[in-house]
Amino acid sequence: QVHLQESGPGQVKPSQTLSLTCAVSGGSITSGAYYWSWIRQHPGKGLEWIGYIYYSGSTYYNPSLKSRVTISADTSKNQISLKLNSVTAADTAVYYCARDLSTTMTGLGLDVWGQGTTVTVSS
Amino acid sequence: DIQMTQSPSSVSASVGDRVTITCRASQALSSWLNWYQQKPGKAPKLLIYAASSLQSGVPSRFSGSGSGTDFILTISSLQPEDFATYYCQQAYSFPRTFGQGTKVESK
Repeated sequence: QVHLQESGPGQVKPSQTLSLTCAVSGGSITSGAYYWSWIRQHPGKGLEWIGYIYYSGSTYYNPSLKSRVTISADTSKNQISLKLNSVTAADTAVYYCARDLSTTMTGLGLDVWGQGTTVTVSS
Repeated sequence: DIQMTQSPSSVSASVGDRVTITCRASQALSSWLNWYQQKPGKAPKLLIYAASSLQSGVPSRFSGSGSGTDFILTISSLQPEDFATYYCQQAYSFPRTFGQGTKVESK
C-alpha cells in the first residue's frame, strides 16, 4: 500500500520560497508506471494542479505557475519536492502530492494522495 | 486551458436519493475525465477514471458516463457517508484542470 506524506514549513514570508517534500513509502517512485503530481487547494476553494514529475526528471508545470515552480525527484530518498518562489498571500493553500496515472499527454487520475499540508504566506 | 464547469454547485438530498452531477468541458475530452470525492479536511479520493471506470474499492452505487464534452456522475442511492464535495478533472491535456466542485448536502 503506497503512502504519501507531505512535510514542510507551515508558514512562509512573502517573497520567500515555499519548499515542500513528499515522502513516498510502500512503493518506489522509480516505478515506471507513475508520474507524481502536486496539487493545491486555496482556503474554501477548488483544486489547482501545479505540475508533475516522472522519476527520470521529466516535468510539466501549470503555465500559470511555471515561472515560479520547480518539482524535483530524489530517487535515493524516494521523495518528491516542490519549490515555489516569490510567494504571496495568494499562495496560501493546502498543498497535496499525489500519484498520477498519467502519460505524457492523457491520464487516468490521481489515485493515491497525501493528507495535505497547509502553507500560510504571511509576514 | 480546458475549462471544466460542474452543475449544480450544490445539491440537497436525502439518504436513498439518486443524485446526478454534471460536468461540461470547454472542448472535447474523448473519455479522459475523472471524478473525485472530497470530505472536509481530507484529501480528494479518486472515484471514477476514464469517464466510466470504477476505481478499485469504490462502491458500485457510484457510476460515471459521458464522452466528448458532457459527463455525468451518478450516485444511485445516496448513503450517509456520501455527503461530500465532488470534483471532475480533465486528463486530456495539460494543464490538468478541475471543475469548481459540487457539494452534496443533507436535505
